[in-house]
Amino acid sequence: QVQLQESGPGLVKPSQTLSLTCTVSGGSISSGDYYWSWIRQPPGKGLEWIGYIYYSGSTYYNPSLKSRVTISVDTSKNQFSLKLSSVTAADTAVYYCAREVGALDYWGQGTLVTVSS
Amino acid sequence: EIVLTQSPGTLSLSPGERATLSCRASQSVSSSYLAWYQQKPGQAPRLLIYGASSRATGIPDRFSGSGSGTDFTLTISRLEPEDFAVYYCQQYGSSPPRTFGQGTRLEIK
Repeated sequence: QVQLQESGPGLVKPSQTLSLTCTVSGGSISSGDYYWSWIRQPPGKGLEWIGYIYYSGSTYYNPSLKSRVTISVDTSKNQFSLKLSSVTAADTAVYYCAREVGALDYWGQGTLVTVSS
Repeated sequence: EIVLTQSPGTLSLSPGERATLSCRASQSVSSSYLAWYQQKPGQAPRLLIYGASSRATGIPDRFSGSGSGTDFTLTISRLEPEDFAVYYCQQYGSSPPRTFGQGTRLEIK
């Protein structure tokens, strides 16, 4: 059974960089059959797709966030990561990592990141 | 970018009733690459339907999806108490970005 787990700081100051890591267990991130995605959900609001990465390192980002987002992969650790720069209060959200096989079939439990001084 | 509009925003029904949720796309969704997710408070979304009409592993057969092109429907044939949640549609067509609908809240009447 594939499991994903997000980790990282729960509080980030405005203008700083949000950094999260997703650790994948129960399957190899290098299998080549999947994309590995980040999605976020502001409190009380809907879902927003941030972007994905393939094990080879190729990425696609949501154009609305593209200038601030970097997603990277570390196949040796079976992890992929998200960096979001120049954060503001509008970036406060639960951040989820997920496996994409077209649809998003496995999700992490999510981690709340609050942007506040 | 494909915009997905879900209706209604809130649906109030009783256990045992039939629920019909709609998802309309601003342009055709290629190859019916449309998914439905269920989200309960404090939980991650759970995949219910992919490819517009295929149930994900472990999903009860009271959940069904239909549609193509720009109009898609999620039907829950007989509501169980655990089905009351928020439902999202998502398109994952050939060209990113992936987009989600704004959600339909299914509440107990």
